[in-house]
Amino acid sequence: GESVGLHLPTLSVQEGDNSIINCAYSNSASDYFIWYKQESGKGPQFIIDIRSNMDKRQGQRVTVLLNKTVKHLSLQIAATQPGDSAVYFCAENTGTGNQFYFGTGTSLTVIP
Amino acid sequence: GAVVSQHPSWVICKSGTSVKIECRSLDFQATTMFWYRQFPKQSLMLMATSNEGSKATYEQGVEKDKFLINHASLTLSTLTVTSAHPEDSSFYICSAPQIQQGTQYFGPGTRLTVL
Repeated sequence: GESVGLHLPTLSVQEGDNSIINCAYSNSASDYFIWYKQESGKGPQFIIDIRSNMDKRQGQRVTVLLNKTVKHLSLQIAATQPGDSAVYFCAENTGTGNQFYFGTGTSLTVIP
Repeated sequence: GAVVSQHPSWVICKSGTSVKIECRSLDFQATTMFWYRQFPKQSLMLMATSNEGSKATYEQGVEKDKFLINHASLTLSTLTVTSAHPEDSSFYICSAPQIQQGTQYFGPGTRLTVL
């Protein structure tokens, strides 16, 4: 499968601070990326996606940045809340067959 | 929004038995579904692609005779873990692409515990 990795396996932030979760991918042909949030014992939950023709996309309190030059994307969470505590995965798709390959995951802990 | 369900949510079985897990797309049709396996504190690993009306395609290293996949309709794919052993204990998650929305939705997962 593809190789998608994360720089930080764990991240702790104070409630109210901004969080940044990073992801590196290896397949330059990947053209679609999704960030997922997974709470313990549950399936992944879609957060935000971005296609390779964009370098930034914003949602509610979340922003995804894509740097195709260095094959890196990041997820920024504004005003992090305790409910944001979860494991976050980036997943990449090469556009063929719709398979997604997941990165290692970052465990985010929000300290009240 | 689009919903994908799985059944059962948790199954405990004895070693040597077979277990069937169902994945359903509830409000959209999916000609393709995907099966993932996730061990504790690890990422999701793609096992196979389930294709409606044809054979599933398996990722390298996944035994097709061990993990039988059937995609009998546009809303249902099943994964059968045959002759399950304790090392098969894992969290199994399916997903289905929602073509119109251009994204993919995941089921809630099935926890398999083999004693």
